[in-house]
Amino acid sequence: GENVEQHPSTLSVQEGDSAVIKCTYSDSASNYFPWYKQELGKGPQLIIDIRSNVGEKKDQRIAVTLNKTAKHFSLHITETQPEDSAVYFCAATGGGGADGLTFGKGTHLIIQP
Amino acid sequence: DVKVTQSSRYLVKRTGEKVFLECVQDMDHENMFWYRQDPGLGLRLIYFSYDVKMKEKGDIPEGYSVSREKKERFSLILESASTNQTSMYLCASSYQIAARETQYFGPGTRLLVL
Repeated sequence: GENVEQHPSTLSVQEGDSAVIKCTYSDSASNYFPWYKQELGKGPQLIIDIRSNVGEKKDQRIAVTLNKTAKHFSLHITETQPEDSAVYFCAATGGGGADGLTFGKGTHLIIQP
Repeated sequence: DVKVTQSSRYLVKRTGEKVFLECVQDMDHENMFWYRQDPGLGLRLIYFSYDVKMKEKGDIPEGYSVSREKKERFSLILESASTNQTSMYLCASSYQIAARETQYFGPGTRLLVL
């Protein structure tokens, strides 16, 4: 089934700097790659997603890139702000015989003032 | 806005008890999912349902069952709770599987089994 690896597990950046989180996946048939942000005490919320027919997608300070050949995708956050502090999860379709998402283990992003 | 609600934010149960976790969505979504979230392991899919009375096993179904009698409601059942089922349980829903639509999550239920 699908396997999603996510790095790093913890990322600390200065406010205003950029943050990059990287994921790799194993199932070449996967075609949908969402990113979720989970704040303390809340469920994950979708922040951006990309489908396999595009290589890059941007929404204000957030962008996602996809390299299907290498089977990896990345989340880029520019001009980081304190409210960006959270746990971020990447995910991919497929795997395990189910149509649910396969998630990475998460990245705890800490924005230092 | 899509709203997914879960019946409890916190639950404490004893080993061997039968536990019901309830999830309700208000957007007429076809698909509903149950995940568990553990530190260092991320989110893992337990079961999902793409229609009323339909269910499919996810990656870790052992020790769990589900029920979907109505479109808006999806229940997770622990027939005999064990301490290794202490976890955060997250319910999600989405409109269409085929189009890989966005999954919307509830706030989670933190279950402690003593």
